[in-house]
Amino acid sequence: SQELEQSPQSLIVQEGKNLTINCTSSKTLYGLYWYKQKYGEGLIFLMMLQKGGEEKSHEKITAKLDEKKQQSSLHITASQPSHAGIYLCGADGGRGSQGNLIFGKGTKLSVKP
Amino acid sequence: KAGVTQTPRYLIKTRGQQVTLSCSPISGHRSVSWYQQTPGQGLQFLFEYFSETQRNKGNFPGRFSGRQFSNSRSEMNVSTLELGDSALYLCASSLRAAWDGYTFGSGTRLTVV
Repeated sequence: SQELEQSPQSLIVQEGKNLTINCTSSKTLYGLYWYKQKYGEGLIFLMMLQKGGEEKSHEKITAKLDEKKQQSSLHITASQPSHAGIYLCGADGGRGSQGNLIFGKGTKLSVKP
Repeated sequence: KAGVTQTPRYLIKTRGQQVTLSCSPISGHRSVSWYQQTPGQGLQFLFEYFSETQRNKGNFPGRFSGRQFSNSRSEMNVSTLELGDSALYLCASSLRAAWDGYTFGSGTRLTVV
C-alpha cells in the first residue's frame, strides 16, 4: 500500500523566514494534494498537482511535484503568523481508489512573531 | 457557494451507544468520502459514496457504516461505540472523486466516555 512521509514533523520559524516542507511517496503519485489544518478543524485546500515537474503558487505558497512524481515540496516565502498550522499532503491512489486519499502524518508549523 | 457542512460539530456519547453523523456536500458534488482523524493514526479513509453507492471502503470494522441519499447528502453511523472511536470525523466532497479535488468540511468531534 502507498505511504506518504512528511518532513519535518514540526517546524518553528521566525516571522519573515522562508521554509520548505517535503512529502515523499513510496509509489508514483497520480495526484498530490496539499492541505492546511488548524487544530481540531477541517482541512483547507491549498493546491493539487498532477503532472511531473508541475509547480503551482498561491500568494506566498509554492508547491512542486518532481519529475518522477514521487516527491512534492511546499515552500512558504516570508512566513507570517497566519501560516501557522498543520500542513498535510494527500495522495490520490489512482484508478479504483475513488475518494481514498492517503495522507502523510502532517507537519506542524509555528511562526514566531 | 456553500461549502461542505457537517453536523453536529461536537458530540459526547457513552460507550456502547450508537451515533449518526451527517455531511452535506457542495451543491453538484456527487462523491462524499469519510475520514477518521486521531492523534495516533492520523487521517484514515473510512468509505466513499457516489450516487448512493459505496464505491470504496477502508479498513474499519463493520460497526462503521454509511449511506448516501439521492440529494448526495451522506450519513455515517457508528454502532456499539468504543473509547477508541473518539476522533475528529471529516467528510470531503468531490464532483466525481477522480482527480477533481476534494473539499473538506469542518468535521464532527466525537468523544466517547
